[in-house]
Amino acid sequence: GPKVLQIPSHQIIDMGQMVTLNCDPVSNHLYFYWYKQILGQQMEFLVNFYNGKVMEKSKLFKDQFSVERPDGSYFTLKIQPTALEDSAVYFCASRIDERLFFGHGTKLSVL
Amino acid sequence: QQNVQQSPESLIVPEGARTSLNCTFSDSASQYFWWYRQHSGKAPKALMSIFSNGEKEEGRFTIHLNKASLHFSLHIRDSQPSDSALYLCAVGNNAGAKLTFGGGTRLTVRP
Repeated sequence: GPKVLQIPSHQIIDMGQMVTLNCDPVSNHLYFYWYKQILGQQMEFLVNFYNGKVMEKSKLFKDQFSVERPDGSYFTLKIQPTALEDSAVYFCASRIDERLFFGHGTKLSVL
Repeated sequence: QQNVQQSPESLIVPEGARTSLNCTFSDSASQYFWWYRQHSGKAPKALMSIFSNGEKEEGRFTIHLNKASLHFSLHIRDSQPSDSALYLCAVGNNAGAKLTFGGGTRLTVRP
């Protein structure tokens, strides 16, 4: 079936550094999402993106977070600067109808 | 603010058993109801959806929705060890919008 690719699968960085998580969504999908899942906890919505714009963001989407998809390339989540509480698995998803297709996630470890 | 809760948190059943997973939501305007399945270290994958009150069956899986009770459920007939996974329910309000996930039920089917 359609696949969403996330790069890298694991990223380790020092607190205060910038990190960019990359997502290659399904090619004809129009809506893009980022979710955050801390180990053993609920998967929580961060942001969704359509037609080059943020549609909705949650309170977890701090000022240090930004998203973009320049020229139809990767859909990215940038965190600058990172904090310890940003450690989690970040899932990217895309959709064209009602079904969300998820990537395998990027595990972010902030030290 | 949508609140989605799942029960039980975990469930262990013997092979061949009938399994029932539950999900409650708080927003009566919700329109889209999904069950996702996530195997360890893998992407959550859409299993089934329902958009109107009633029941829908696909193979061994049946989804039941009662909007008035703010409740939907997933029933698995003849459970198999390969069904062992984290089951996530998700609720959406309108096309293109976010899905709000429950905390998950971890199902283990013993051979």
